[in-house]
Amino acid sequence: AQSVAQPEDQVNVAEGNPLTVKCTYSVSGNPYLFWYVQYPNRGLQFLLKYITGDNLVKGSYGFEAEFNKSQTSFHLKKPSALVSDSALYFCAVRDMNSGAGSYQLTFGKGTKLSVIP
Amino acid sequence: GAVVSQHPSWVICKSGTSVKIECRSLDFQATTMFWYRQFPKQSLMLMATSNEGSKATYEQGVEKDKFLINHASLTLSTLTVTSAHPEDSSFYICSAHDNYGYTFGSGTRLTVV
Repeated sequence: AQSVAQPEDQVNVAEGNPLTVKCTYSVSGNPYLFWYVQYPNRGLQFLLKYITGDNLVKGSYGFEAEFNKSQTSFHLKKPSALVSDSALYFCAVRDMNSGAGSYQLTFGKGTKLSVIP
Repeated sequence: GAVVSQHPSWVICKSGTSVKIECRSLDFQATTMFWYRQFPKQSLMLMATSNEGSKATYEQGVEKDKFLINHASLTLSTLTVTSAHPEDSSFYICSAHDNYGYTFGSGTRLTVV
């Protein structure tokens, strides 16, 4: 079974400050990790993903995430927050060793990011 | 990049009627599509997984006779909410999977009155 935890329902940060949105995961095999952003009444937009390789993954809109295998974490970060970054952020995982044809993603509950001007 | 078109983006229907939501992959072939339901301020709940040409696999607790899923081609999957009731009001999102990852539709806000 695979699971994702986003421990914070909401994160508030001042514009221009660095932001972190936390995510931890649990899979039986190797993880395939994603971050998505959702604006009100919209679908999910892809930010970045980790499959293998460098632990630091760079994505869209200046976001990055660091894969930490020992801590089973994949926290989303951005050096300088913008007001337009305010949205709902979802972490998701898929077990790369799951059976053939099983491509289901498991999502965290989401973290609402508010960037204060 | 990959684009998934989902429509309608919003729909209001009367209780007891049926509503069809379409999800199309515009520039790639999606062998697998997923349908999610999202309640306000909550995460995405997977309803079913559909593979082209075969019956959808529904998650536990999802009524397959109420939420009919058809994946007739590699670029089109449809979700039909039959005999809709107010408790079916929600935000429905589709997602298509190909070799490069997952692409999501823009969602459909269903309101049953």
